[in-house]
Amino acid sequence: EAQVTQNPRYLITVTGKKLTVTCSQNMNHEYMSWYRQDPGLGLRQIYYSMNVEVTDKGDVPEGYKVSRKEKRNFPLILESPSPNQTSLYFCASSLSPPYTSGGSYEQYFGPGTRLTVT
Amino acid sequence: QKEVEQNSGPLSVPEGAIASLNCTYSDRGSQSFFWYRQYSGKSPELIMFIYSNGDKEDGRFTAQLNKASQYVSLLIRDSQPSDSATYLCAVKWESYIPTFGRGTSLIVHP
Repeated sequence: EAQVTQNPRYLITVTGKKLTVTCSQNMNHEYMSWYRQDPGLGLRQIYYSMNVEVTDKGDVPEGYKVSRKEKRNFPLILESPSPNQTSLYFCASSLSPPYTSGGSYEQYFGPGTRLTVT
Repeated sequence: QKEVEQNSGPLSVPEGAIASLNCTYSDRGSQSFFWYRQYSGKSPELIMFIYSNGDKEDGRFTAQLNKASQYVSLLIRDSQPSDSATYLCAVKWESYIPTFGRGTSLIVHP
């Protein structure tokens, strides 16, 4: 079954304690991205990756890091989480960037990770 | 400043009617436009995209783009209760980074 998995699904942590949210896809997709969704602010892209070892900043990259050492995995790292990073996080993947002419129409999202930083 | 505006709703329509969801954007340099559907408590799902002025149809969904007036619409024909969800509009400018609207909640009542 084609899918994007994220772990953990729920996480409550304290300010400053480093954490990693994992994202993995089993479709051999090249493009992967991270979003956060906040009430009243909508969905915002944090980082994206065009392929292994190729990552770039999205709209709101501050306070986040990513890596893409393997095609299937795209972890999101919060080195020193703060309360303003409390949010719902989604990972997504597609064969090619969906936001380009001729790009992929099929974009798969993970189930989301609800993060609370106290 | 690139902005994408959507009426938060809820938009309530009876079953079988046409639901019309609208999205306006701030900058004429925009390149492509996308509609996502998000059921309550679920992940977004990309359902439509459009690049050129005019209409694009896919089943019961039609996306309409008017670049001169800076708006994009999503029409859902023969609305069903299963269409009840929040619909997110996204606009891409020159980079790979999309800007999303805050979404419009649609309720289709039997």
